[in-house]
Amino acid sequence: EAGVTQFPSHSVIEKGQTVTLRCDPISGHDNLYWYRRVMGKEIKFLLHFVKESKQDESGMPNNRFLAERTGGTYSTLKVQPAELEDSGVYFCASSQVGDRALYTFGSGTRLTVV
Amino acid sequence: KQEVTQIPAALSVPEGENLVLNCSFTDSAIYNLQWFRQDPGKGLTSLLLIQSSQREQTSGRLNASLDKSSGRSTLYIAASQPGDSATYLCAVGKAAGNKLTFGGGTRVLVKP
Repeated sequence: EAGVTQFPSHSVIEKGQTVTLRCDPISGHDNLYWYRRVMGKEIKFLLHFVKESKQDESGMPNNRFLAERTGGTYSTLKVQPAELEDSGVYFCASSQVGDRALYTFGSGTRLTVV
Repeated sequence: KQEVTQIPAALSVPEGENLVLNCSFTDSAIYNLQWFRQDPGKGLTSLLLIQSSQREQTSGRLNASLDKSSGRSTLYIAASQPGDSATYLCAVGKAAGNKLTFGGGTRVLVKP
C-alpha cells in the first residue's frame, strides 16, 4: 500500500510569490489533514477534510492560505502571497473514518520563503 | 485550549539503557493519545495509539502508559539501540477523526 505522498519535498520561493503544495492520501482514506511546523515550534493543525468537505479549518492562519480537495482525492494547499513567516514544514496526514483509525503522515514539504 | 508538553526536550543515553519519555496534557477530556517517531527530514511514523479507555499499549520494546485523570503519558523504550535515535512526539485527539494537538517532542540520541 502506498503511503501519503507530498510534493514538492522542498520549495524555496521569494516573498510575495505563490506556492502550491500537494498531498496524495492513502487510497480510501476519507480524512485528510494539513499540519505545519514552523522553526522552533510545535506541529500545529491547519485543517481537516472529510472527503471533499472542510470539516475543520480553525487552524488556517489567514486568508492567504487556501486548501482544496477536489473529488475527495488529493488535496492542494496554496499560499498566496507567501510571507517570510510562512516558512516551515507542511505535513499532510490521512486516516480512515473509524474510531481507532491511525493517522499516516507524509514526509512533508519544507517551504522556505526568502 | 489543550496544551501538550514533553519533557525533556532532549535526551542522550548509552546503548542498552532504557528510555523514559514523558508527555503531559492540560485537558484530560481526550479521546486518544498517539506517540510518533520522526527521523531527520522524514515524516512522522506512528508508534502506538492509546484510546482514552486504555491504560497502556505495547509493541515490541515499546510500551506507552496513559493516566488520563492526571494528564500524563509515558513512553518506555527498553534496551535502547542507536537506531532508536530520533525525535519522539506525542499528540492527543479530542474526538474520533479529530485534529491532533502535538507536544514539542523529545530528541533522543542513543550512543553506541
